[in-house]
Amino acid sequence: EVQLVESGGGLVQPGGSLRLSCTASGFTFSDYWMSWVRQAPGKGLEWVANIKEDGSVRYHLDSVKGRFTISRDNAEKSLFLQMNSLRAEDTAVYFCAREIPGGACHYDYWGQGILVTVS
Amino acid sequence: EIVLTQSPGTLSLSPGERATLSCRASQSISSSYLAWYQQKKPGQAPRLLIHGASNRATGIPDRFSGSGSGTDFTLTISRLEPEDFAVYYCQQYGTFGGGTKVEMK
Repeated sequence: EVQLVESGGGLVQPGGSLRLSCTASGFTFSDYWMSWVRQAPGKGLEWVANIKEDGSVRYHLDSVKGRFTISRDNAEKSLFLQMNSLRAEDTAVYFCAREIPGGACHYDYWGQGILVTVS
Repeated sequence: EIVLTQSPGTLSLSPGERATLSCRASQSISSSYLAWYQQKKPGQAPRLLIHGASNRATGIPDRFSGSGSGTDFTLTISRLEPEDFAVYYCQQYGTFGGGTKVEMK
């Protein structure tokens, strides 16, 4: 069974840092692009970043470029999101998600989500 | 940047009725890159329903269907079941639509 479990969220002051982790199981992690998607309170879904299977290519949402960094450790089957210089508008539930192969950024499995509150 | 506009914002229907949800792109997109998700509660993980505009994801009942091309795409739920009342999002690459809430009348 495919599982994605996020951790590392919590309350942080503006300007602070957090590192989110997502641990994968039930599939060959190194075969998939992975993404972070967030949802601010009462808002819709927003893609944040994604990373290629081997970690060699990464993309970030413009509003987080230079502040957030996506990375992965295939040996540990883990995905990370390093978040620096956090702002109130980064407050959201953050999901890690597995992309269906094919390059369309469609997500077939999601974690349960982890809340990040910047206040 | 492509913008996805979903309509209506809210759809009030009864179980057994047909739901038709629209997703309009600000410019023509490949249907290969259009997906639909269901989210039952805010902050709960979405579920992939349709990818490539018309391909049902694994385990999705056949009452869900997707269609469309170019700038206009549709998600149809042929007969609403109680568990289908939720918010639905369309997506193209890194862009999501604003969502349509299907609520019980």
